[in-house]
Amino acid sequence: QQQVKQSPQSLIVQKGGISIINCAYENTAFDYFPWYQQFPGKGPALLIAIRPDVSEKKEGRFTISFNKSAKQFSLHIMDSQPGDSATYFCAASIASGTYKYIFGTGTRLKVLA
Amino acid sequence: EAEVAQSPRYKITEKSQAVAFWCDPISGHATLYWYRQILGQGPELLVQFQDESVVDDSQLPKDRFSAERLKGVDSTLKIQPAELGDSAMYLCASSFAGEQYFGPGTRLTVT
Repeated sequence: QQQVKQSPQSLIVQKGGISIINCAYENTAFDYFPWYQQFPGKGPALLIAIRPDVSEKKEGRFTISFNKSAKQFSLHIMDSQPGDSATYFCAASIASGTYKYIFGTGTRLKVLA
Repeated sequence: EAEVAQSPRYKITEKSQAVAFWCDPISGHATLYWYRQILGQGPELLVQFQDESVVDDSQLPKDRFSAERLKGVDSTLKIQPAELGDSAMYLCASSFAGEQYFGPGTRLTVT
């Protein structure tokens, strides 16, 4: 019940295309859902996050879509660029108390020039 | 921009030796996390501190791993003795109001 399932494992997109990564969770107590971007040899960097009181959040080319009833959320990268090539992790947490995070298994994105 | 600092960035050690990692969180962040990340996988929580207190160390292999955050600021993670299976990236993160920020990590190789 504590798992966060992420798909696909890897993704290849043409420059200018839309990259879509999906995550699903089971624990309905989760109420904070961040996405992280990680380049090789670096620590994950917080990209964008959403709380379940909204169904969508957009920051620049990055959008999170959230479906509370389906217990799913996804990251959309619009106009994907080669510089977006990285590994993306979704995570889930309970937004009170100690904020323990559960991470997905990661999606390796490659954007072709 | 404030960052989480970690040192060393890279560490090579022989099996059965002791190794220590240091983390300095973003100023004002009361919550500090140590994660282990195996190549190709997501970070797995080892230990979580709230100020100087351990909140969660259920996944910390306590026979060989120890962590402390004595003054509620910087933290040290120790492995003694190191085993081949400990080769991984060790990540420190700190958070405030739920927003978690990671350091650059320490890449440990045990030979």
